[in-house]
Amino acid sequence: GAGVSQTPSNKVTEKGKYVELRCDPISGHTALYWYRQSLGQGPEFLIYFQGTGAADDSGLPNDRFFAVRPEGSVSTLKIQRTERGDSAVYLCASSLLPKGTQYFGPGTRLLVL
Amino acid sequence: QQQVKQSPQSLIVQKGGISIINCAYENTAFDYFPWYQQFPGKGPALLIAIRPDVSEKKEGRFTISFNKSAKQFSLHIMDSQPGDSATYFCAASKSGNQFYFGTGTSLTVIP
Repeated sequence: GAGVSQTPSNKVTEKGKYVELRCDPISGHTALYWYRQSLGQGPEFLIYFQGTGAADDSGLPNDRFFAVRPEGSVSTLKIQRTERGDSAVYLCASSLLPKGTQYFGPGTRLLVL
Repeated sequence: QQQVKQSPQSLIVQKGGISIINCAYENTAFDYFPWYQQFPGKGPALLIAIRPDVSEKKEGRFTISFNKSAKQFSLHIMDSQPGDSATYFCAASKSGNQFYFGTGTSLTVIP
């Protein structure tokens, strides 16, 4: 079956612009996670959704970052007033149940010029 | 503060050899320790995982050794193959929600 998909695969934007990154989890997976991976580093937790609600958003670095999952399936990570330091690969993962195995998507590579 | 410390940063092993990657953690509340394999341009994929109630778990050529008292765990890849060349991440989680990843080990298996 289809895995986790993320769009776009690459995004180049200018400093100060607004971006949206989309994640389509595996069908039926109730839990969804966003991570950020900088070059040469491991994934860094951003936010976790259980259903439509954010169960844990303690990893969001500041109020420029926001994520939604309005219907409990697709999620969008929104970054306002992008900064060069936001450049990274943004990974999405989903799991069938909370605490279950997380399946990662291929990521969106964001470059802020 | 790095919750999970991983070493070495890079590793070169001959085909057929044993690859060993080590991780250490501080938070004794962690109760789930997975290892992920990541190829360039791909997301991490779960390789094998262990819970602290056992000291070892083996799946095929991959073994996790877990030392609860030392707060350390390691991945052993037996009979390493060129296809195993990838970046490996250890991780730790409390209650399976927020995962803390190590900084990764780049493994190269030489034919």
